[in-house]
Amino acid sequence: DAGVIQSPRHEVTEMGQEVTLRCKPISGHDYLFWYRQTMMRGLELLIYFNNNVPIDDSGMPEDRFSAKMPNASFSNLKIQPSEPRDSAVYFCASSLGLSRGGELFFGSGTQLSVL
Amino acid sequence: DAKTTQPNSMESNEEEPVHLPCNHSTISGTDYIHWYRQLPSQGPEYVIHGLTSNVNNRMASLAIAEDRKSSTLILHRATLRDAAVYYCILRTTGNNNDMRFGAGTRLTVKP
Repeated sequence: DAGVIQSPRHEVTEMGQEVTLRCKPISGHDYLFWYRQTMMRGLELLIYFNNNVPIDDSGMPEDRFSAKMPNASFSNLKIQPSEPRDSAVYFCASSLGLSRGGELFFGSGTQLSVL
Repeated sequence: DAKTTQPNSMESNEEEPVHLPCNHSTISGTDYIHWYRQLPSQGPEYVIHGLTSNVNNRMASLAIAEDRKSSTLILHRATLRDAAVYYCILRTTGNNNDMRFGAGTRLTVKP
């Protein structure tokens, strides 16, 4: 398996524009997590899914952020409208349930810059 | 809020063992202890995990206290490539299956 695949690797956009980040989890994994990392706040959990269903979105900063998982092979995170304070590295991770190990596998991340 | 506490930073000399501590005094019986590390400019990567017994793999060893309120990640011979931020987190078998990271320990390896 190619691992968790995120796209794009880098995104530069202007304030007010819509941003879509994409993630393809490892085949067979039933958990998917979205994280955001900044120097100030470290690695923050935004939302996670189990079997394509959002379980906890309490980490989503505000209504401008939304995430969906339409099927087991794809998830996206949207920011609309984007703001400069959204600039960060966004990571996607997937895992099996704990009974089968539970370790997280992370993608390479998307570096988002909002000007 | 992170359920674990770790020192902000540690230093080690190359080729020497490194013991990275983690306190998790509120751990429950269904919580697994996971360790990850993040190399510069990369995403976090899995290192090791355990429940009650000590664990060994090709990367490291995990020593878990008898009361499970603390654990130690052991790198047997540190190399310069082990310089990273090391995170200790808990993952539960219950409904709350989130994986929230704390600030971790930044390990510096000196040649």
